[in-house]
Amino acid sequence: DGGITQSPKYLFRKEGQNVTLSCEQNLNHDAMYWYRQDPGQGLRLIYYSQIVNDFQKGDIAEGYSVSREKKESFPLTVTSAQKNPTAFYLCASRTRGGNNQPQHFGDGTRLSIL
Amino acid sequence: LAKTTQPISMDSYEGQEVNITCSHNNIATNDYITWYQQFPSQGPRFIIQGYKTKVTNEVASLFIPADRKSSTLSLPRVSLSDTAVYYCLVGANYGGSQGNLIFGKGTKLSVKP
Repeated sequence: DGGITQSPKYLFRKEGQNVTLSCEQNLNHDAMYWYRQDPGQGLRLIYYSQIVNDFQKGDIAEGYSVSREKKESFPLTVTSAQKNPTAFYLCASRTRGGNNQPQHFGDGTRLSIL
Repeated sequence: LAKTTQPISMDSYEGQEVNITCSHNNIATNDYITWYQQFPSQGPRFIIQGYKTKVTNEVASLFIPADRKSSTLSLPRVSLSDTAVYYCLVGANYGGSQGNLIFGKGTKLSVKP
């Protein structure tokens, strides 16, 4: 089946540690996105990429980094500079064809601090 | 960017029709209106999208008046499994250089037996 796979489902981070969240899609989508969701809140954009080897900061990029070396993959690294990383992280993708194309989401990674 | 306003929560009973209204007074000419559903610990799932009048699919209907300043998501005969958060988004979220979605807090629908 085509879709977006995020791993791991749960992740724990120690103080001062960087951790990487995986996002893979086999939908042949050009654009990919990372969102952060806090309890009872909507989604906030961290980073996005419209094409391979290019990505842009979203609204809350500080303390995060990404790469887009392959069309299918858009990993997110939560660095030690992110002081409040506990949240639910969602990856999404969409085709670039037209303004009304919906986004497809993975099932998220829940990150907690040890 | 167009902002959306929707009720924070709604309660219903199984078998009832549920209508969730979203206000988007600043909607632009090219904007589409899209609704997503999110269950706990899952990613949002696309439900329905429209530009004007009425759109219906196997899951829901979307009613959009002529002025497009609001829209109503209609869920026929809800069941317990429809308990979720429902987000209304307008199409400026797709346009521009980002193409990202701007999610508010959504409407938390609770369906009771």
